[in-house]
Amino acid sequence: KAGVTQTPRYLIKTRGQQVTLSCSPISGHRSVSWYQQTPGQGLQFLFEYFSETQRNKGNFPGRFSGRQFSNSRSEMNVSTLELGDSALYLCASSLGGSDYEQYFGPGTRLTVT
Amino acid sequence: ELKVEQNPLFLSMQEGKNYTIYCNYSTTSDRLYWYRQDPGKSLESLFVLLSNGAVKQEGRLMASLDTKARLSTLHITAAVHDLSATYFCAGSTSGTYKYIFGTGTRLKVLA
Repeated sequence: KAGVTQTPRYLIKTRGQQVTLSCSPISGHRSVSWYQQTPGQGLQFLFEYFSETQRNKGNFPGRFSGRQFSNSRSEMNVSTLELGDSALYLCASSLGGSDYEQYFGPGTRLTVT
Repeated sequence: ELKVEQNPLFLSMQEGKNYTIYCNYSTTSDRLYWYRQDPGKSLESLFVLLSNGAVKQEGRLMASLDTKARLSTLHITAAVHDLSATYFCAGSTSGTYKYIFGTGTRLKVLA
């Protein structure tokens, strides 16, 4: 069974630009979660989607948004990038959310210059 | 809201020695997870602990859960260099649809 895939794996953007990251969950998984990992803040929850509905959102500014499509694939968008947005963005999929084990993708390393 | 604390943050140990990583959480966590992360890599699932007294073992790693003490431990037996990585615990509360991660423990096993 194929694992969680994320594209692109690496991105370099400049301040003020926007970026879209993509996540394809494990086949059959309907929940997709996004996390930001930085050396200073650790792993922080961004949001979770299930059947195209956002069920929870972390404490991030409105510049961070996401969506989920009918095939369970998910995208997250960050607008007006700031230097502090440089991070590893991890996507995780599960059958139904945090009550089920989450499987993490390889991540997208975003660098903002 | 659930808070998860891990200690120690850094752990340098000799091969062949035993050690324990501790994970405390603040309120009820319906389940507790342990993950491993190698540098520049994603999170690899190690254990899922569902109930009080749960103990799981895989190779030189053993995880346990004490829900009354709100404590999970990851015990390393006879460490080997290949275990060098960062280990995270995470908790979740039913209905919140998110994991809360600890700060991670960076383990370095010295030959």
